[in-house]
Amino acid sequence: DTAVSQTPKYLVTQMGNDKSIKCEQNLGHDTMYWYKQDSKKFLKIMFSYNNKELIINETVPNRFSPKSPDKAHLNLHINSLELGDSAVYFCASSPDRGGSGVAKNIQYFGAGTRLSVL
Amino acid sequence: QQQVKQSPQSLIVQKGGIPIINCAYENTAFDYFPWYQQFPGKGPALLIAIRPDVSEKKEGRFTISFNKSAKQFSLHIMDSQPGDSATYFCAASKGKEYGNKLVFGAGTILRVKS
Repeated sequence: DTAVSQTPKYLVTQMGNDKSIKCEQNLGHDTMYWYKQDSKKFLKIMFSYNNKELIINETVPNRFSPKSPDKAHLNLHINSLELGDSAVYFCASSPDRGGSGVAKNIQYFGAGTRLSVL
Repeated sequence: QQQVKQSPQSLIVQKGGIPIINCAYENTAFDYFPWYQQFPGKGPALLIAIRPDVSEKKEGRFTISFNKSAKQFSLHIMDSQPGDSATYFCAASKGKEYGNKLVFGAGTILRVKS
């Protein structure tokens, strides 16, 4: 069973459309994240949720809205898609928001969703 | 600005060689330094990680060297294999009170020739 699963794997859409990416983790983790990887492979965090509570909200346009119905799910909704939104979006999860052990910081990534805005 | 600077951008070594990837950081509040490995079409996966209270950590063929005073750390891959060909990212985190936010370097594309 996949630990962190994202759907869809590929998403091709027109500018101006609204789309959602879903993420589920079956690891029992408390914290989930969304990252954006651009065409140069640069990885940047967008959001982080801990037990359905928003913890990190980077300077992301408010067209992007994360939603966490429960701690195993973190979905990403994007309104009014723009060409610059084309990227690979990764969901990740970690066991705890913090802690003294190195293990608690480990983030497990999904396989990514490649979004192409035409 | 880039908080974690990674070099080189790409690296080609022969099988059995020892590729070295370097990272530097500015913020002394960082207290956790992982390396992630990413294969094409896959998400990044944790390879090895270190905290600043140790100067070296080894796991199998992978070693992190950490220099706290210079604010630098590096990844060494011993006896590299073609299967190690991937993109490697260093990262840094400030820990619990910052939500364990990971700041990534720009990545190094490694190719190991057989």
